[in-house]
Amino acid sequence: GDSVTQMEGPVTLSEEAFLTINCTYTATGYPSLFWYVQYPGEGLQLLLKATKADDKGSNKGFEATYRKETTSFHLEKGSVQVSDSAVYFCALRESNYQLIWGAGTKLIIKP
Amino acid sequence: SQTIHQWPATLVQPVGSPLSLECTVEGTSNPNLYWYRQAAGRGLQLLFYSVGIGQISSEVPQNLSASRPQDRQFILSSKKLLLSDSGFYLCAWSLARVEFTFGSGTRLTVV
Repeated sequence: GDSVTQMEGPVTLSEEAFLTINCTYTATGYPSLFWYVQYPGEGLQLLLKATKADDKGSNKGFEATYRKETTSFHLEKGSVQVSDSAVYFCALRESNYQLIWGAGTKLIIKP
Repeated sequence: SQTIHQWPATLVQPVGSPLSLECTVEGTSNPNLYWYRQAAGRGLQLLFYSVGIGQISSEVPQNLSASRPQDRQFILSSKKLLLSDSGFYLCAWSLARVEFTFGSGTRLTVV
């Protein structure tokens, strides 16, 4: 079945460091890919998405490119801030109505 | 615009007591509705989803049940809570091929 694998956390970085959170997937069709973010004590918010191969999703300085050849959708940011500390979830969605989730990666940014 | 309301935000209940968490969506019709649970330090677990009034699918056998009495209302219930029911519960909605939107979550502590 379809699945999403994320790098395990927590990931701890200093402010202004470069961030990469790896996400790879397996799917039988042509899924849409998402990154959601969960700030402490809150629900999930959509961060960015890509609906087809080679699309790049971007938002709030975060980017991720849909790479079909490597089945990846890695999340990147050039310079992280303390306010980026959160749990990040990678997810895919096939043509049905369900999301397949990664386990989440906790990001801790130290000033 | 569409909004999703979930309440209460926090809840402390004794073992063996009943549970009712409510989720309502505004600004859309016939959404797909979901209940997720997020245990401490873990990813998201899909508990129930619904594609229409009275239509409930359960993903994981458990002590919980769900109902959809109206198009935009989704209720998570239990007759007798267990300690293992503690967690962060998230309601979400989506339309076909559109990203999910999450409520702000309910933190349930069973004591």
